[in-house]
Amino acid sequence: RKEVEQDPGPFNVPEGATVAFNCTYSNSASQSFFWYRQDCRKEPKLLMSVYSSGNEDGRFTAQLNRASQYISLLIRDSKLSDSATYLCVVTFSGSARQLTFGSGTQLTVLP
Amino acid sequence: EAQVTQNPRYLITVTGKKLTVTCSQNMNHEYMSWYRQDPGLGLRQIYYSMNVEVTDKGDVPEGYKVSRKEKRNFPLILESPSPNQTSLYFCASSSTALGANVLTFGAGSRLTVL
Repeated sequence: RKEVEQDPGPFNVPEGATVAFNCTYSNSASQSFFWYRQDCRKEPKLLMSVYSSGNEDGRFTAQLNRASQYISLLIRDSKLSDSATYLCVVTFSGSARQLTFGSGTQLTVLP
Repeated sequence: EAQVTQNPRYLITVTGKKLTVTCSQNMNHEYMSWYRQDPGLGLRQIYYSMNVEVTDKGDVPEGYKVSRKEKRNFPLILESPSPNQTSLYFCASSSTALGANVLTFGAGSRLTVL
């Protein structure tokens, strides 16, 4: 079983739709959680950290469910520019050394 | 501008011909790391370095070497490249301050080994 699992998609949604991705992790000792965004053939960039109480950044909402060991990302009012691959990232320490990446969920927002 | 710079960005080489992919960061980060990205497998860590002269293996170190003689540079060396090392490579860096576990990535180096 992979340490971090994501539905690879692709998710094809119309502009303005709400879309949600889940990511499950196997290490119950995991401490920190992130969503990174990766545009085609480019480097991953931090989208947002995921806090225990859940957090929101504009149209993006991230949530953590420790009991079920998953994190989620909700995108409201999807824009064409949201088309990308979304990487779930987990670490069981406070260090960048032990970040584990999911293989990503591909999102395409259609006009 | 704070950044991680990798070179070359694209390279086609042949089996057995030694090559080096350079990585340099200007953020005074202690931590640097190399990843490879393959379809369906996500990002896998090759080697990492917590500081100058301190390096350690990641999940897929076979066939690779690294060095960290200066804080800003962390080159990835393929002594005898093989076709299974054809991949997209990313260098990344981060501060090691408590809680600082956000990575800044370079633009990537696409390597093809024939």
